[in-house]
Amino acid sequence: DAGVIQSPRHEVTEMGQEVTLRCKPISGHNSLFWYRQTMMRGLELLIYFNNNVPIDDSGMPEDRFSAKMPNASFSTLKIQPSEPRDSAVYFCASSQQGLSGNTIYFGEGSWLTVV
Amino acid sequence: SQQGEEDPQALSIQEGENATMNCSYKTSINNLQWYRQNSGRGLVHLILIRSNEREKHSGRLRVTLDTSKKSSSLLITASRAADTASYFCATDALNAGGTSYGKLTFGQGTILTVHP
Repeated sequence: DAGVIQSPRHEVTEMGQEVTLRCKPISGHNSLFWYRQTMMRGLELLIYFNNNVPIDDSGMPEDRFSAKMPNASFSTLKIQPSEPRDSAVYFCASSQQGLSGNTIYFGEGSWLTVV
Repeated sequence: SQQGEEDPQALSIQEGENATMNCSYKTSINNLQWYRQNSGRGLVHLILIRSNEREKHSGRLRVTLDTSKKSSSLLITASRAADTASYFCATDALNAGGTSYGKLTFGQGTILTVHP
């Protein structure tokens, strides 16, 4: 299996621009998570989906952030407009709920720098 | 606030020594998991311990769980330079109804450096 696939791996963008991060979960997994990692705040759960439905988006920092999961094999996290404080590593992860005690599998991350 | 908090924040040891990292959490849990993150990479699952288990082993890893103290420890025996990484505990918390929220909450991590 190819694992969780994220793109882009690295992005540098100017403040005010729209950023779209993409994720392909592991085939057969029915839960998908978006995390953000920074030195100051550590690893924060932004939102998670179960069977393509958003279950908990309480971690989404503000209305500039939105996430979608149009089908079981694809999700996006969008930031519009982006700000320098959004600079972080954004991880997508997936799991098969009910198996392996909810162990989750991470992608390699999207490294975002907003200047 | 963090559900899981690890200590120490950083640990530096020599190859061959044992490394112990601790994790404390605040709520009732379904299970607790440990993950490893190499620099610049995603997190990788190491081991899971369920709330009704007290100890678990996997290779050179030993995890303990004390639900009465809401704490866990990860022991890496005979450490190697390749074990250098950040280690995170993560909790699968239970809601008021006693079922899993279905998500993991991570601590801030322990940075382990193993010197050759």
